[in-house]
Amino acid sequence: DVKVTQSSRYLVKRTGEKVFLECVQDMDHENMFWYRQDPGLGLRLIYFSYDVKMKEKGDIPEGYSVSREKKERFSLILESASTNQTSMYLCASKTGDNQPQHFGDGTRLSIL
Amino acid sequence: GDSVTQMEGPVTLSEEAFLTINCTYTATGYPSLFWYVQYPGEGLQLLLKATKADDKGSNKGFEATYRKETTSFHLEKGSVQVSDSAVYFCALIPSHGSGNTGKLIFGQGTTLQVKP
Repeated sequence: DVKVTQSSRYLVKRTGEKVFLECVQDMDHENMFWYRQDPGLGLRLIYFSYDVKMKEKGDIPEGYSVSREKKERFSLILESASTNQTSMYLCASKTGDNQPQHFGDGTRLSIL
Repeated sequence: GDSVTQMEGPVTLSEEAFLTINCTYTATGYPSLFWYVQYPGEGLQLLLKATKADDKGSNKGFEATYRKETTSFHLEKGSVQVSDSAVYFCALIPSHGSGNTGKLIFGQGTTLQVKP
């Protein structure tokens, strides 16, 4: 089975801090994704990556950046956290264009 | 553009009732279709999939049939249990040549509550 591991289930940070969310997958998938999930807004794509050191903006990239130095790891960075970034963050990975994405358990991030 | 529309929830059923969650889509060509489930406090899990017209995906008693003529992928289960209470997401990956490279397009999700 595919395993997508997010480093924290719950995280509390302060406004202005630089925040790192880590995601690791164990199936040698080329593609990795970061989403945020908010009540009433569903899942929204922040960034995705199709290869090492490659990244593309999703639908809501503002205030975020990403890093993919190794194939198995995809990091989401909040450069200067703000309260409107309080959310559930979900990482996913997949291989092949028509294959399903496999999700981690999510990180519930609170910015105070 | 490509989109997925799900019935609004919450859907509240008694145990052993029949479940239908409607899902329709807008997309060119032949997208791949998926249902995901999210249990409280967890990430999304793939429930079932179908990649071509008339395919039936099935898993854990849930079924959905890819209907090209009605652009639908409705989720059904004959007898729900309390443990099926969760949020269900319909999603698609657009077909090749549509300018998309494998990103999922999600519906808004439908909350199912099953009461004993």
